[in-house]
Amino acid sequence: QSALTQTASVSGSPGQSITISCTGTSSDVGSYNLVSWYQQYPGKAPKLIIYDVSQRPTGVSNRFSGSKSGNTASLTISGLQAEDEAEYYCCSYAGSRTFVLFGGGTTLTVL
Amino acid sequence: QVQLVQSGAEVKTPGASVTVSCKASGYIFTNNYVFWARQAPGEGLEWMGLINPSGGSTTYAQKFQGRLTLTRDTSLSTVYLELNSLRSEDTAVYFCARVPELGRFDPWGQGTLVTVSS
Repeated sequence: QSALTQTASVSGSPGQSITISCTGTSSDVGSYNLVSWYQQYPGKAPKLIIYDVSQRPTGVSNRFSGSKSGNTASLTISGLQAEDEAEYYCCSYAGSRTFVLFGGGTTLTVL
Repeated sequence: QVQLVQSGAEVKTPGASVTVSCKASGYIFTNNYVFWARQAPGEGLEWMGLINPSGGSTTYAQKFQGRLTLTRDTSLSTVYLELNSLRSEDTAVYFCARVPELGRFDPWGQGTLVTVSS
């Protein structure tokens, strides 16, 4: 199966909101509420920021929110801050055979 | 706190094998699966395999079947990734991560750079 599709880059000014989309198929994103999102700074490990489509782990800012409609999941970051500048990856469970698929990543630039 | 600490960087020649370790702490090792993924320079994440530390059962991505072996040592709370027949395309940072629930990976190890070069 192919990777999930993410927009390559997105940008926004401090205080604004941005949304990153993640498009899959009816075999992955569309079939399971097991979409997660990861934030990665250069040279660092990914960090879980959203799981089960819209749940935030303890300690993650409520400026991060997730949703899903059909085969597309979305990550919204509100009140953009300079520290949000990073790479963001979506991930979806895709069944016991494929297990998981990752998106290609979205580079967020805070202007 | 829950932590995964990986072994250090490796440089290998084509055709060789590499073993990367991932030591878990801060939780009951046998309670959660451990997941492995890699990231080639400038590229995205690619899942490789999964191991159940409790019984040692494994699941591998089709791409790595026959070349990848995941094992664990419960006495050391450590899982191991062994990748054989290395080629230049295997140059990447390899990550382990705990699987607290299906479909999510948290936390991740710090990553191990494996460089394959003649």
